[in-house]
Amino acid sequence: QVQLVESGGGVVQPGGSLRLSCAASGFTFSSYGMHWVRQAPGKGLEWVAFIRYDGSNKYYADSVKGRFTISRDNSKNTLYLQMNSLRAEDTAVYYCASNWGGILDYWGQGTLVTVSS
Amino acid sequence: DIVMTQTPLSSPVTLGQPASISCRSSQSLVHSDGNTYLSWLQQRPGQPPRLLIYKISNRFSGVPDRFSGSGAGTDFTLKISRVEAEDVGVYYCTQATQFPYTFGQGTKLEIK
Repeated sequence: QVQLVESGGGVVQPGGSLRLSCAASGFTFSSYGMHWVRQAPGKGLEWVAFIRYDGSNKYYADSVKGRFTISRDNSKNTLYLQMNSLRAEDTAVYYCASNWGGILDYWGQGTLVTVSS
Repeated sequence: DIVMTQTPLSSPVTLGQPASISCRSSQSLVHSDGNTYLSWLQQRPGQPPRLLIYKISNRFSGVPDRFSGSGAGTDFTLKISRVEAEDVGVYYCTQATQFPYTFGQGTKLEIK
């Protein structure tokens, strides 16, 4: 079955960096686009970034553009999110989700990122 | 950006009774390919979101048939025919017609 497992979350100071990973299994990772979506504590969902199956196109929310970079390694079935210049408002659970024809079909359990001094 | 507005934000329901959630988008969700990329997600307490309905009215794999979706253009509805205890959680509509993808504020379904 499809599994998406995020890792790399933790506590980081404002202005710091963190790299999240999402290990995929149970489907042909290299054939699917992938998303990152986040959820601040007690809040709703916010789409963060998308990468096409082959990495050829990437899209970002305005709130993270220029600070976050989405990437993937299809040989390792892994999705990444490099987060730089982190701010307190980036504190959230970060989910990876697979993209099936424009539909966010499977979601991971999430990894918590806390930006605090 | 397309703004998604859900009503109500909270819905107390009696077990076995129906429930309905509305979602309105600030512009048409009809894509140039003819599809309407409106989905509904369920998030149970302490769990990640789960896809329920995609492209307005298609139930995802494993979703009970008491869940149904309808609508067109800018107005959409999620209905639960008979609410069960396991349906407690927050429901989100989301659009994938154009970037950035956006979500509704969420509707909290609780049992009376």
